Amino acid sequence: GAVVSQHPSWVICKSGTSVKIECRSLDFQATTMFWYRQFPKQSLMLMATSNEGSKATYEQGVEKDKFLINHASLTLSTLTVTSAHPEDSSFYICSASRPPAGYNEQFFGPGTRLTVL
Amino acid sequence: AQKITQTQPGMFVQEKEAVTLDCTYDTSDPSYGLFWYKQPSSGEMIFLIYQGSYDQQNATEGRYSLNFQKARKSANLVISASQLGDSAMYFCAMSRGGSEKLVFGKGTKLTVNP
Repeated sequence: GAVVSQHPSWVICKSGTSVKIECRSLDFQATTMFWYRQFPKQSLMLMATSNEGSKATYEQGVEKDKFLINHASLTLSTLTVTSAHPEDSSFYICSASRPPAGYNEQFFGPGTRLTVL
Repeated sequence: AQKITQTQPGMFVQEKEAVTLDCTYDTSDPSYGLFWYKQPSSGEMIFLIYQGSYDQQNATEGRYSLNFQKARKSANLVISASQLGDSAMYFCAMSRGGSEKLVFGKGTKLTVNP
């Protein structure tokens, strides 16, 4: 199977600090990874598309300087929430697409719950 | 722009019965994909089933089947023989042909009663 991990699974931080979330594809190489944000009892909203070796593409309304994405290798993408504030508290989920993308299949990580105090 | 609509915030079903979760979509692209995901309370997104816009037959995966009605732009999920473990949030999603981006509906919370 295709397994995607995220670390940490949950994190609590103080307002003003930065938090890094890792997304790894464990048994396949992912040329593209996606970062989603989910507020309680709401749907997943795509934040950005991360391509290995190039700059991430952010969705409209997502602050690129706030949410730094680095796709350093074919198995690792990181999301850094800079100068976090309570309104950044959310559930962050990554997904990775596995080539050949016969039907754009994405495999999701287990998510990271961020709480900013 | 693409849009997914799930009109049922919550659904209840008795164990061992079948349930249909509604999903309608809006797109002007001729090529697209439709997905259903299950999200238990633990948070992970579990892929259930996929239907391509050019697929002639409705997709089936075990107890899951997708009732694809292209003219009506609907892609309802049918779960047969519901189990207690099926209680979760269910999200319908769509991708545009050639794109891997997914657009999700608001979800339906399914509760299976014993």
